[in-house]
Amino acid sequence: ETGVTQSPTHLIKTRGQQVTLRCSSQSGHNTVSWYQQALGQGPQFIFQYYREEENGRGNFPPRFSGLQFPNYSSELNVNALELDDSALYLCASSRTSGYNEQFFGPGTRLTVL
Amino acid sequence: AQSVTQLGSHVSVSEGALVLLRCNYSSSVPPYLFWYVQYPNQGLQLLLKYTSAATLVKGINGFEAEFKKSETSFHLTKPSAHMSDAAEYFCAVSGNRDDKIIFGKGTRLHILP
Repeated sequence: ETGVTQSPTHLIKTRGQQVTLRCSSQSGHNTVSWYQQALGQGPQFIFQYYREEENGRGNFPPRFSGLQFPNYSSELNVNALELDDSALYLCASSRTSGYNEQFFGPGTRLTVL
Repeated sequence: AQSVTQLGSHVSVSEGALVLLRCNYSSSVPPYLFWYVQYPNQGLQLLLKYTSAATLVKGINGFEAEFKKSETSFHLTKPSAHMSDAAEYFCAVSGNRDDKIIFGKGTRLHILP
């Protein structure tokens, strides 16, 4: 059984640019959640996608957007990058909507210069 | 609303000694509580969770945690530390299985030889 994978592992962008991060969910999982983990902090919930629809959102501005595809993989898009967007972005998948059976990927480290 | 406070951003214990990582929570409803571990350059792995069943919860790798409602605590313990336990540990809370998870800021555990 393949676990949650994320790409790329590292990314460097400049302020004002746009970025797309990708996540492949674990086999049999139809729900994907995205988290932002700033240095020295715990993960903060960005949003969740369940069966291709947004199913909950944290306190992040609209320039953070997402997609989920029919195969349940997902993208996180961030427009107009700011320096504070530098963080580890974690994707977690689960069999159903909800949060108590999530499996996390290794993350994408985004650096904004 | 839910929140967690982890006491001590860094904890050091000798190999073979007791591990105690402290977590206090705040929740307006009976909480779901979690402990996650994050090894360097990896995603989060669920150690254990409390979902209103037994108050003493046993997890993987010899860890356990006890839910104490009167103290609003969910401390993580392990009788004998191993070098491989060195990692970042996150306590987390949610209001129910469909509510987003709120993470603490984490405690880095150092194991001294």
